[in-house]
Amino acid sequence: EAGVTQFPSHSVIEKGQTVTLRCDPISGHDNLYWYRRVMGKEIKFLLHFVKESKQDESGMPNNRFLAERTGGTYSTLKVQPAELEDSGVYFCASSQEVGVGELFFGEGSRLTVL
Amino acid sequence: GESVGLHLPTLSVQEGDNSIINCAYSNSASDYFIWYKQESGKGPQFIIDIRSNMDKRQGQRVTVLLNKTVKHLSLQIAATQPGDSAVYFCAETAGYSTLTFGKGTMLLVSP
Repeated sequence: EAGVTQFPSHSVIEKGQTVTLRCDPISGHDNLYWYRRVMGKEIKFLLHFVKESKQDESGMPNNRFLAERTGGTYSTLKVQPAELEDSGVYFCASSQEVGVGELFFGEGSRLTVL
Repeated sequence: GESVGLHLPTLSVQEGDNSIINCAYSNSASDYFIWYKQESGKGPQFIIDIRSNMDKRQGQRVTVLLNKTVKHLSLQIAATQPGDSAVYFCAETAGYSTLTFGKGTMLLVSP
């Protein structure tokens, strides 16, 4: 069974540009989470989808970040326009249970904003 | 992927030693705790969890201890192997809310 997959694995863009990260959760997992780790710091929560609905988006840093999960399958996270402080690794995770349960993480998408 | 471990607390051990990684949490309402292992270029991987009604749980070569009085969590790895080298994160949650991760500890195992 495929795990959580994320694309791209690494993206390098200039300040002011737009980037869209994609996450494909494990099939059948209704819960999908986005997390971010800025270099050397803790992993921080961004938002949580249950199917196509945003359950909790309290971790989204500002309105330059837009997450969608149309149809309740894969999710995208768009950063527009990107700023230098957006650099980091963006992790997607999915789970079957309501609440956190055991989260299965993808390998992350590294974003570098120059 | 990611180069993990920059500016993180580091624990260096010899192969075969027992390792203890500590974590302090701040939310006294947290009732579920998880340890994750993150290898370079990979996402965090679940190791072991413990609920607040327990103070110890054992897995294969790993033991998690929970001290709610002082809000402290530890991960013990027996007979540490080079493959255990990674960054270890503790995470906590209260009820069905989201996970809050700690800063992480890098474990370096030398042969």
